[in-house]
Amino acid sequence: QSALTQPPSASGSPGQSVTISCTGTNGDVGGYNYVSWYQQHPGKAPKLIIYDVTKRPSGVPDRFSGSKSGNTASLTVSGLQAEDEADYYCCSYAGYNNYVFGTGTEVTVL
Amino acid sequence: QVHLVESGGGVVQPGGSLRLSCAASGFIFSNYGMHWVRQAPGKGLEWVGFIWHDGRHEDYADSVKGRFTISRDNSKNMLYLQMNSLRVEDTAMYHCAKDVNWSWDSWGQGNLVTVSS
Repeated sequence: QSALTQPPSASGSPGQSVTISCTGTNGDVGGYNYVSWYQQHPGKAPKLIIYDVTKRPSGVPDRFSGSKSGNTASLTVSGLQAEDEADYYCCSYAGYNNYVFGTGTEVTVL
Repeated sequence: QVHLVESGGGVVQPGGSLRLSCAASGFIFSNYGMHWVRQAPGKGLEWVGFIWHDGRHEDYADSVKGRFTISRDNSKNMLYLQMNSLRVEDTAMYHCAKDVNWSWDSWGQGNLVTVSS
Protein backbone atom coordinates (compact mmCIF):
# COMPACT_ATOMS: atom_id res chain seq x y z
CA GLN A 1 0.00 0.00 0.00
CA SER A 2 1.59 3.30 -1.08
CA ALA A 3 1.42 6.37 1.13
CA LEU A 4 -1.04 9.08 0.19
CA THR A 5 0.60 12.10 -1.43
CA GLN A 6 0.72 15.41 0.46
CA PRO A 7 2.78 18.52 -0.27
CA PRO A 8 5.87 18.59 1.98
CA SER A 9 5.17 22.10 3.18
CA ALA A 10 2.59 24.88 3.28
CA SER A 11 2.60 28.33 4.81
CA GLY A 12 0.50 31.38 5.46
CA SER A 13 0.43 34.55 7.49
CA PRO A 14 -1.69 34.87 10.64
CA GLY A 15 -5.34 35.22 9.69
CA GLN A 16 -4.88 33.73 6.24
CA SER A 17 -6.04 30.30 5.05
CA VAL A 18 -3.98 27.32 3.99
CA THR A 19 -5.23 24.21 2.20
CA ILE A 20 -3.42 20.87 2.23
CA SER A 21 -4.18 18.21 -0.37
CA CYS A 22 -4.06 14.46 0.11
CA THR A 23 -4.11 12.35 -3.04
CA GLY A 24 -4.74 8.63 -3.11
CA THR A 25 -6.49 6.11 -5.32
CA ASN A 26 -9.87 4.50 -5.88
CA GLY A 27 -8.76 1.88 -3.35
CA ASP A 28 -8.45 4.31 -0.49
CA VAL A 29 -9.43 8.02 -0.58
CA GLY A 30 -11.72 7.64 -3.58
CA GLY A 31 -13.36 4.46 -2.37
CA TYR A 32 -14.37 5.34 1.17
CA ASN A 33 -15.58 8.36 3.11
CA TYR A 34 -13.21 7.50 5.93
CA VAL A 35 -10.52 10.14 5.58
CA SER A 36 -9.14 11.59 8.79
CA TRP A 37 -6.61 14.32 9.51
CA TYR A 38 -4.13 14.58 12.36
CA GLN A 39 -2.15 17.50 13.75
CA GLN A 40 1.22 16.74 15.32
CA HIS A 41 3.37 19.22 17.18
CA PRO A 42 7.08 18.37 17.65
CA GLY A 43 7.62 15.66 20.23
CA LYS A 44 3.89 15.19 20.76
CA ALA A 45 1.36 12.51 19.89
CA PRO A 46 -0.87 13.14 16.86
CA LYS A 47 -4.26 14.75 17.53
CA LEU A 48 -7.40 13.96 15.55
CA ILE A 49 -8.84 17.10 13.93
CA ILE A 50 -11.08 15.74 11.15
CA TYR A 51 -12.75 12.35 10.68
CA ASP A 52 -15.15 10.91 8.10
CA VAL A 53 -13.81 13.49 5.57
CA THR A 54 -15.65 16.50 7.03
CA LYS A 55 -16.48 15.95 10.72
CA ARG A 56 -14.75 17.71 13.58
CA PRO A 57 -14.33 16.08 17.01
CA SER A 58 -15.60 18.00 19.99
CA GLY A 59 -13.19 20.74 20.98
CA VAL A 60 -11.58 21.21 17.56
CA PRO A 61 -12.08 24.80 16.33
CA ASP A 62 -14.30 25.31 13.30
CA ARG A 63 -11.30 26.95 11.60
CA PHE A 64 -10.42 23.41 10.56
CA SER A 65 -12.50 21.91 7.75
CA GLY A 66 -12.23 18.92 5.46
CA SER A 67 -13.50 17.98 2.03
CA LYS A 68 -13.03 15.41 -0.70
CA SER A 69 -13.31 15.25 -4.46
CA GLY A 70 -12.60 12.01 -6.23
CA ASN A 71 -9.28 10.59 -5.06
CA THR A 72 -8.15 13.82 -3.36
CA ALA A 73 -9.06 14.96 0.13
CA SER A 74 -8.24 18.41 1.47
CA LEU A 75 -7.81 20.09 4.84
CA THR A 76 -8.32 23.83 5.11
CA VAL A 77 -7.15 25.84 8.08
CA SER A 78 -8.79 29.25 8.09
CA GLY A 79 -7.75 32.21 10.19
CA LEU A 80 -4.26 30.81 10.77
CA GLN A 81 -2.92 31.14 14.28
CA ALA A 82 0.58 30.64 15.62
CA GLU A 83 -0.45 27.44 17.39
CA ASP A 84 -1.48 25.91 14.05
CA GLU A 85 2.19 25.56 13.13
CA ALA A 86 2.63 21.78 13.11
CA ASP A 87 2.83 18.72 10.91
CA TYR A 88 -0.44 17.49 9.40
CA TYR A 89 -1.16 13.97 8.22
CA CYS A 90 -4.12 12.62 6.32
CA CYS A 91 -5.18 8.99 6.64
CA SER A 92 -7.63 6.86 4.71
CA TYR A 93 -9.26 3.52 5.26
CA ALA A 94 -8.07 1.23 2.46
CA GLY A 95 -10.35 -1.76 2.87
CA TYR A 96 -9.89 -5.11 4.63
CA ASN A 97 -9.14 -3.34 7.92
CA ASN A 98 -6.11 -1.61 6.41
CA TYR A 99 -5.21 2.06 6.66
CA VAL A 100 -2.78 4.29 4.80
CA PHE A 101 -1.33 7.61 5.94
CA GLY A 102 -0.26 10.58 3.90
CA THR A 103 3.36 11.67 3.59
CA GLY A 104 2.78 14.62 5.90
CA THR A 105 2.79 18.40 5.46
CA GLU A 106 4.69 20.87 7.58
CA VAL A 107 2.65 24.03 8.07
CA THR A 108 4.52 27.23 8.87
CA VAL A 109 2.84 30.38 10.14
CA LEU A 110 4.84 33.26 8.74
CA GLN B 1 -10.45 11.33 30.45
CA VAL B 2 -8.84 8.78 28.17
CA HIS B 3 -5.29 7.85 29.07
CA LEU B 4 -3.01 5.54 27.07
CA VAL B 5 0.51 4.77 28.28
CA GLU B 6 2.97 2.64 26.34
CA SER B 7 5.91 0.79 27.87
CA GLY B 8 8.40 -1.94 27.05
CA GLY B 9 10.50 -0.26 24.38
CA GLY B 10 14.28 -0.18 24.21
CA VAL B 11 17.26 -1.24 22.16
CA VAL B 12 17.30 -4.68 20.53
CA GLN B 13 19.55 -6.37 17.99
CA PRO B 14 18.32 -7.25 14.51
CA GLY B 15 16.47 -10.54 14.63
CA GLY B 16 15.50 -10.03 18.24
CA SER B 17 12.13 -9.71 19.93
CA LEU B 18 10.37 -7.16 22.09
CA ARG B 19 6.90 -6.79 23.59
CA LEU B 20 5.25 -3.42 23.97
CA SER B 21 2.39 -2.83 26.38
CA CYS B 22 -0.27 -0.13 26.41
CA ALA B 23 -2.18 0.58 29.63
CA ALA B 24 -5.61 2.08 29.00
CA SER B 25 -7.85 4.03 31.37
CA GLY B 26 -10.71 6.51 31.31
CA PHE B 27 -12.98 4.56 28.97
CA ILE B 28 -14.60 1.13 28.65
CA PHE B 29 -11.61 -0.60 27.05
CA SER B 30 -13.51 -3.73 26.03
CA ASN B 31 -15.87 -1.67 23.85
CA TYR B 32 -13.21 -0.37 21.47
CA GLY B 33 -10.89 -1.67 18.81
CA MET B 34 -7.29 -0.64 19.31
CA HIS B 35 -4.46 0.11 16.90
CA TRP B 36 -0.71 0.44 16.87
CA VAL B 37 0.81 3.22 14.76
CA ARG B 38 4.54 3.89 14.43
CA GLN B 39 6.75 6.76 13.37
CA ALA B 40 10.36 6.33 12.38
CA PRO B 41 12.67 9.14 13.52
CA GLY B 42 12.05 12.22 11.37
CA LYS B 43 9.54 10.35 9.21
CA GLY B 44 5.78 10.10 8.79
CA LEU B 45 3.16 7.97 10.46
CA GLU B 46 2.65 4.32 9.51
CA TRP B 47 -0.28 2.13 10.54
CA VAL B 48 0.95 -1.14 12.06
CA GLY B 49 -2.15 -3.11 12.97
CA PHE B 50 -5.54 -3.40 14.64
CA ILE B 51 -7.36 -5.68 17.04
CA TRP B 52 -11.10 -5.97 17.51
CA HIS B 53 -12.67 -4.89 20.76
CA ASP B 54 -13.09 -8.51 21.84
CA GLY B 55 -9.67 -9.65 20.63
CA ARG B 56 -11.14 -12.16 18.18
CA HIS B 57 -9.55 -10.69 15.07
CA GLU B 58 -6.48 -8.73 14.08
CA ASP B 59 -5.17 -7.15 10.90
CA TYR B 60 -1.66 -6.03 10.05
CA ALA B 61 0.25 -3.89 7.61
CA ASP B 62 2.13 -5.92 5.03
CA SER B 63 5.43 -4.61 6.43
CA VAL B 64 4.92 -6.42 9.75
CA LYS B 65 2.63 -9.31 8.83
CA GLY B 66 3.95 -12.62 10.12
CA ARG B 67 6.40 -10.92 12.49
CA PHE B 68 4.18 -8.81 14.77
CA THR B 69 1.21 -9.96 16.85
CA ILE B 70 -1.33 -7.75 18.59
CA SER B 71 -3.22 -9.04 21.61
CA ARG B 72 -5.23 -7.62 24.48
CA ASP B 73 -6.37 -8.46 27.98
CA ASN B 74 -9.70 -6.75 28.58
CA SER B 75 -9.71 -7.82 32.24
CA LYS B 76 -6.57 -5.71 32.76
CA ASN B 77 -7.30 -2.93 30.23
CA MET B 78 -4.06 -3.79 28.48
CA LEU B 79 -3.01 -3.89 24.82
CA TYR B 80 0.14 -5.63 23.61
CA LEU B 81 2.38 -5.69 20.56
CA GLN B 82 4.70 -8.69 20.28
CA MET B 83 7.46 -7.92 17.80
CA ASN B 84 9.63 -10.77 16.49
CA SER B 85 12.36 -10.95 13.83
CA LEU B 86 12.97 -7.24 14.28
CA ARG B 87 14.69 -5.31 11.49
CA VAL B 88 16.60 -2.04 11.49
CA GLU B 89 13.68 -0.49 9.59
CA ASP B 90 11.36 -1.27 12.53
CA THR B 91 13.12 1.45 14.53
CA ALA B 92 10.37 3.89 15.47
CA MET B 93 8.22 5.47 18.13
CA TYR B 94 5.27 3.13 18.63
CA HIS B 95 1.90 4.60 19.64
CA CYS B 96 -1.23 2.79 20.73
CA ALA B 97 -4.44 4.49 19.66
CA LYS B 98 -8.16 4.08 20.35
CA ASP B 99 -10.37 3.37 17.36
CA VAL B 100 -13.50 5.38 16.65
CA ASN B 101 -15.28 5.73 13.32
CA TRP B 102 -12.30 4.53 11.24
CA SER B 103 -10.03 7.07 12.91
CA TRP B 104 -8.16 7.44 16.21
CA ASP B 105 -9.42 9.90 18.77
CA SER B 106 -6.92 9.16 21.53
CA TRP B 107 -3.21 8.37 21.32
CA GLY B 108 -0.51 7.40 23.76
CA GLN B 109 2.68 9.44 23.88
CA GLY B 110 4.58 6.58 22.34
CA ASN B 111 7.48 4.29 23.23
CA LEU B 112 10.74 4.16 21.30
CA VAL B 113 12.01 0.92 19.82
CA THR B 114 15.55 0.96 18.41
CA VAL B 115 16.81 -1.98 16.38
CA SER B 116 20.56 -1.81 16.09
CA SER B 117 23.61 -4.00 16.29
